[in-house]
Amino acid sequence: DAGVTQSPTHLIKTRGQHVTLRCSPISGHKSVSWYQQVLGQGPQFIFQYYEKEERGRGNFPDRFSARQFPNYSSELNVNALLLGDSALYLCASSLVPGARGTEAFFGQGTRLTVV
Amino acid sequence: DAKTTQPPSMDCAEGRAANLPCNHSTISGNEYVYWYRQIHSQGPQYIIHGLKNNETNEMASLIITEDRKSSTLILPHATLRDTAVYYCIVRVEAAGNKLTFGGGTRVLVKP
Repeated sequence: DAGVTQSPTHLIKTRGQHVTLRCSPISGHKSVSWYQQVLGQGPQFIFQYYEKEERGRGNFPDRFSARQFPNYSSELNVNALLLGDSALYLCASSLVPGARGTEAFFGQGTRLTVV
Repeated sequence: DAKTTQPPSMDCAEGRAANLPCNHSTISGNEYVYWYRQIHSQGPQYIIHGLKNNETNEMASLIITEDRKSSTLILPHATLRDTAVYYCIVRVEAAGNKLTFGGGTRVLVKP
């Protein structure tokens, strides 16, 4: 079975531009979360989605937004890119929040470089 | 989620057991201890989790103290491919894939 897939794997954008990152969860997983990992630090939680609704949001500005589609895939959008947005963006999927065995499975990430 | 404290780094000899400590003195009764690892440039990988009993799977063993204020992840026979950053996370099960990562322990397995 395919794991969590993210696209693209690498991306270079210019300051001020907009970017859209995509994530497909493991088949049967209905919850997706997004993380930002700056070099040398642990991943930081951005958003959690379940059944197309936002269930949690980390301490990130409104330039960051996300959505989940009926097939449970998800997009992360970042507007007005800053140099500090350069990071590895990770997507994680899991079964229903609150159910047993809800360990998260991560994709390989999208490496975003803002120049 | 409760805060965890881990040593920033440790070395381990290939073939020997690696014991990774984690302190979580403010853990609540309904919070589980989870361990993930992240090999360079890859996404984090789930290893094991537990509530109060010791747990073992094909990757590792998790030993949780009786007062639940600390735990140890044991890699029984470390290989070079176990070189990674290991994260100890405590969270309620209902949090699902919402995790709070700290700095982790950078483990270097040496030949």
